[in-house]
Amino acid sequence: DAKTTQPPSMDCAEGRAANLPCNHSTISGNEYVYWYRQIHSQGPQYIIHGLKNNETNEMASLIITEDRKSSTLILPHATLRDTAVYYCIVRVVGMRDSSYKLIFGSGTRLLVRP
Amino acid sequence: DGGITQSPKYLFRKEGQNVTLSCEQNLNHDAMYWYRQDPGQGLRLIYYSQIVNDFQKGDIAEGYSVSREKKESFPLTVTSAQKNPTAFYLCASSTHSGGKNIQYFGAGTRLSVL
Repeated sequence: DAKTTQPPSMDCAEGRAANLPCNHSTISGNEYVYWYRQIHSQGPQYIIHGLKNNETNEMASLIITEDRKSSTLILPHATLRDTAVYYCIVRVVGMRDSSYKLIFGSGTRLLVRP
Repeated sequence: DGGITQSPKYLFRKEGQNVTLSCEQNLNHDAMYWYRQDPGQGLRLIYYSQIVNDFQKGDIAEGYSVSREKKESFPLTVTSAQKNPTAFYLCASSTHSGGKNIQYFGAGTRLSVL
């Protein structure tokens, strides 16, 4: 299973971009990178995922390096409500064709300052 | 509203007692999952089910049991064999259509031992 490494904590000012890095140097060619976040005492929320191309949706952008060994989640204009733990996850394919499980590490605790 | 409903939000267990946590989804998802989260830690997979009447052990299944008699429901029983049950329990579901396999989470149940 490919592992991910994230800084334990980061902070940014409200209204500025938050750039959250993730290393996944052992990722294999058919594994996707997923990002989730968890606001205190709530269930995790899906943000975005990608394979090799950069992706953007209404919540964030995902930049994956050409060698796929690292990625960056970008929240373009962080708000106080973006304060949460952010998890970078590499998809693991289970034994059966349609199954998979997510392996959650400790994540990055992002604090958005007023 | 479509989503995943976990109940109760808070649960207390007496020593030697089995307790059951409820998880219901109306998203028509095939797969459902149970995770455990300890303070300051990431999520760990307890059990998952890809289809009705079928389920597989995750990484920490000892002391837990599940059933999947209906597509919408995936209850988790914390048995007396689980010696350290105090944790935050999260249920998730996913669909395999479109190849995205995004997991959607409930709000969680916080279990404590009396």
